[in-house]
Amino acid sequence: DAGVTQSPTHLIKTRGQQVTLRCSPISGHKSVSWYQQVLGQGPQFIFQYYEKEERGRGNFPDRFSARQFPNYSSELNVNALLLGDSALYLCASSLEWYPGELFFGEGSRLTVL
Amino acid sequence: KNEVEQSPQNLTAQEGEFITINCSYSVGISALHWLQQHPGGGIVSLFMLSSGKKKHGRLIATINIQEKHSSLHITASHPRDSAVYICAVRGSSGDKLTFGTGTRLAVRP
Repeated sequence: DAGVTQSPTHLIKTRGQQVTLRCSPISGHKSVSWYQQVLGQGPQFIFQYYEKEERGRGNFPDRFSARQFPNYSSELNVNALLLGDSALYLCASSLEWYPGELFFGEGSRLTVL
Repeated sequence: KNEVEQSPQNLTAQEGEFITINCSYSVGISALHWLQQHPGGGIVSLFMLSSGKKKHGRLIATINIQEKHSSLHITASHPRDSAVYICAVRGSSGDKLTFGTGTRLAVRP
């Protein structure tokens, strides 16, 4: 069975641009969560979605948004990119909302120039 | 003070040594996760705990809910155990996962 897949794996953007990151959960998993990991730091929680509804939001500005589709895949959008948005963006899926075991994708590494 | 504190931040061990990584948290939780992250970024879930103790191979995780403390033990450490180990807690309402800053482990042959 395929694990959690994320795309793209690497991307470079310039300040002010917008980016969309995609995540496909493990088949049958209904919850997807997103995390930002800046180099040298632990991950920071951004969003959690369960059954297409937002169930949690971390301390990130409104430039960050996400959604979950009927097939449970998810997109994370970041508008008006700043240099500080450069990070590894991780997606994790779980069977249910909580406290289920998490399965992580390999991440999307975003560089903002 | 961070909600999740790990110690030590860095740890170097010789192959075969017994290793302990500690995690303390200050909030009520519904579950605690131990994660392993190798260079390159991929994260693997090792354990999810809400009480007691779990064992998987050479790895053992314990949690003391009253003391708000968890430990990850590695027996007979091996160079392939070299990675960053991250503790993360899910709040009582289940809406947020808070991570520690990680413990960087290097096991020398």
